[in-house]
Amino acid sequence: QLVLTQSPSASASLGASVKLTCTLSSGHSSYAIAWHQQQPEKGPRYLMKLNSDGSHTKGDGIPDRFSGSSSGAERYLTISSLQSEDEADYYCQTWGTGVGVFGGGTKLTVL
Amino acid sequence: EVQLVESGGGLVKPGGSLRLSCAASGFTFSSYSMNWVRQAPGKGLEWVSSIGTDIKYKYYADSVKGRFSTSRDNAKNSVYLQMDSLRAEDTAMYYCARLEGGSGWYYFGYWGQGTLVTVSS
Repeated sequence: QLVLTQSPSASASLGASVKLTCTLSSGHSSYAIAWHQQQPEKGPRYLMKLNSDGSHTKGDGIPDRFSGSSSGAERYLTISSLQSEDEADYYCQTWGTGVGVFGGGTKLTVL
Repeated sequence: EVQLVESGGGLVKPGGSLRLSCAASGFTFSSYSMNWVRQAPGKGLEWVSSIGTDIKYKYYADSVKGRFSTSRDNAKNSVYLQMDSLRAEDTAMYYCARLEGGSGWYYFGYWGQGTLVTVSS
């Protein structure tokens, strides 16, 4: 079964960097994922598509501070030079056979 | 600029029906598969349904299969979600999303702002 696992929460200081993790279930380590950001009281926003080789394609207007990388079944979202507006929920997402799949989301707190 | 604007949400009693609409603009609507994703209060995102550019391709989450139906009207640049036999657990913000990608793998490239559905007596 295709499952994405995320830590429920993360925190980092203003101006620092943070690395969020999304883990693909066994047998699905070659899958690409997408990262989405949801700021408080807003709809989600697509950040980037991330392939198993670490190559990624960002959405329109996504700052260079956001980058992606991969290692085995893990997919990472790194946010550098954290700003207050980066405080949000971050979801990874992939696609099965006719089925969209989301991770449970990580709530990022900027201290 | 791609825009997706949902409407049609509201308060409905258990067992009732509701039809959501999503009006699209800023792109060639007929060329994209369209999806609905929902988010229960305080919870994460849950994919609900997908309709392809060819309307014979429709997919649903197990949680709504047999109760919800999606359709599209390319002349009106709109996608719809007909929700029947509604339950309390269907209470959520419902988002419209444009599907991107190909070759069997897809992602949600654009999202609307959502419309709130509350199922309560």
